[in-house]
Amino acid sequence: TQLLEQSPQFLSIQEGENLTVYCNSSSVFSSLQWYRQEPGEGPVLLVTVVTGGEVKKLKRLTFQFGDARKDSSLHITAAQPGDTGLYLCAGERSGNTPLVFGKGTRLSVIA
Amino acid sequence: DAGITQSPRHKVTETGTPVTLRCHQTENHRYMYWYRQDPGHGLRLIHYSYGVKDTDKGEVSDGYSVSRSKTEDFLLTLESATSSQTSVYFCAIRRDTSNEQFFGPGTRLTVL
Repeated sequence: TQLLEQSPQFLSIQEGENLTVYCNSSSVFSSLQWYRQEPGEGPVLLVTVVTGGEVKKLKRLTFQFGDARKDSSLHITAAQPGDTGLYLCAGERSGNTPLVFGKGTRLSVIA
Repeated sequence: DAGITQSPRHKVTETGTPVTLRCHQTENHRYMYWYRQDPGHGLRLIHYSYGVKDTDKGEVSDGYSVSRSKTEDFLLTLESATSSQTSVYFCAIRRDTSNEQFFGPGTRLTVL
């Protein structure tokens, strides 16, 4: 059973479009992280959300943590080819337990 | 940049041979992790370490062993490589004050 479900799995859009990807679970997390991974490289941390309902912005990227801390979303405004990559969410259940990763959303932004 | 290096970056080996992958960090973080990444499966935790000589299993630990004799190095060993262990392997560290992880560049392993 996958603890964190990401959707969609694949997304191909034109430059300039908006998009939202989702990370859902039936479990509560104390925090949730989003990573982006480009081909041939390791994942890179984008943001951590901790408080239920929290919204964080990183330029054109908006991250939201659900009120119940079971889900999160990533919204990209006016997508650019440089946004292309694999987006991973990861949840922290408690203290020092290892992160739980979703399988990722592979985004392709076409110029 | 969290000062994480992995070696080798690429390796091709034959079934049944032993393989050791090395992860090296320069910042003396306590927690280190080994993951494998495969299409359709995402990142899966193999083993992790929470200090010198302190290690624990992840969800896909069968066929793998680890060792951490000093803070900066975390070794992953495939005692007898199988084709199912063909994958990209990532090492990660966790900063001591949070659960945010920082990944190395990966090792692409092919077992023929």
